[in-house]
Amino acid sequence: AQSVTQLDSHVSVSEGTPVLLRCNYSSSYSPSLFWYVQHPNKGLQLLLKYTSAATLVKGINGFEAEFKKSETSFHLTKPSAHMSDAAEYFCVVSPKGSARQLTFGSGTQLTVLP
Amino acid sequence: SAVISQKPSRDICQRGTSLTIQCQVDSQVTMMFWYRQQPGQSLTLIATANQGSEATYESGFVIDKFPISRPNLTFSTLTVSNMSPEDSSIYLCSVEDRKWGTDTQYFGPGTRLTVL
Repeated sequence: AQSVTQLDSHVSVSEGTPVLLRCNYSSSYSPSLFWYVQHPNKGLQLLLKYTSAATLVKGINGFEAEFKKSETSFHLTKPSAHMSDAAEYFCVVSPKGSARQLTFGSGTQLTVLP
Repeated sequence: SAVISQKPSRDICQRGTSLTIQCQVDSQVTMMFWYRQQPGQSLTLIATANQGSEATYESGFVIDKFPISRPNLTFSTLTVSNMSPEDSSIYLCSVEDRKWGTDTQYFGPGTRLTVL
């Protein structure tokens, strides 16, 4: 069994300040972990993926996430928020090697204030 | 990554009618997936469609309500049948892209459905 908890439904930051979106997971096996972003009226775009090669994963648009097994966390960060980062972010877990068993978190809405 | 398109991008339909959503991929893929995203909620998997076989439905979804076709390796359709306002959602298709590994999915832009 697997599950994902996104700890904040809404996060608001000022432009130029750091972003932290929190995600905890539960999995009875070695997981793959993902962050996807959904801009208004758009589909989901893959930001980054953890595969166990490295605990710090760099993604697109300056985002990165750190896999911490002891804390079962996979938080998403960015040093400096941009207005274009305003979107819904989903943390996703799957068993490694299984394409059909994605479990989505409930999502975090990121607002970037000018 | 694979480029995925969906038609229509949005539609407004009357209760009791059916809508067929198309998903087209620019490369051949083994597995295609259909998801529903109800307003303000996360994504829920409806079914998995492999070419040449019946779609596999998740708990809570049935073929009579959501028939799926997968005639070839680049195309699939999802029909939402006998619609009610509760079917108002965004419907997304996705594909497995092996460039990132066998457990990564890429998503289409979605079809935003409103049922009156």
